[in-house]
Amino acid sequence: GENVEQHPSTLSVQEGDSAVIKCTYSDSASNYFPWYKQELGKGPQLIIDIRSNVGEKKDQRIAVTLNKTAKHFSLHITETQPEDSAVYFCAASRYSSASKIIFGSGTRLSIRP
Amino acid sequence: SAVISQKPSRDICQRGTSLTIQCQVDSQVTMMFWYRQQPGQSLTLIATANQGSEATYESGFVIDKFPISRPNLTFSTLTVSNMSPEDSSIYLCSVYGGALPYNEQFFGPGTRLTVL
Repeated sequence: GENVEQHPSTLSVQEGDSAVIKCTYSDSASNYFPWYKQELGKGPQLIIDIRSNVGEKKDQRIAVTLNKTAKHFSLHITETQPEDSAVYFCAASRYSSASKIIFGSGTRLSIRP
Repeated sequence: SAVISQKPSRDICQRGTSLTIQCQVDSQVTMMFWYRQQPGQSLTLIATANQGSEATYESGFVIDKFPISRPNLTFSTLTVSNMSPEDSSIYLCSVYGGALPYNEQFFGPGTRLTVL
């Protein structure tokens, strides 16, 4: 079955710097890759996603890249702010099978003032 | 997106008892799911709640331990039965489909369960 690996498990960056989180997946049929942000005491919130027909997608300070050949995808946060501190999860699934979204292990991002 | 509420938000229970968690969404959705998130861990799918039929359970989860109901397209319950301290986790409801953006899955705020 699908396996999603996520690195690093913890990440601390200076406010204003960039943060990068990387994930790899094993199922070559996966074609939908969402990213979730989970703040303390809350449920995961979908922040951005990318589909396999796109190599990169941007939304303000957040961007995701996808390399289908290498089976890896990344989240980039630029100009980090204190409110970016949270746990981030990558995930992968097949476009037509929502019930099999497989999550990575999570990255705890801390923004240093 | 969807507005998803869960009740209770948290609870402390004694071992051997059962707790039923409710999930309500503000629009009709195609699919509803229940996840477990153990402290500091990722999300693990327990089961898919099917309207009008038995839930579909993932490997390692069984109906006797986690009975699930889904009487309509906006509501589902998860019961954690005969609880033990190992069941202490956050339980999350998630929804997909219907009027929601295609293929996007949304999560409720979670129910934090502590079993003593």
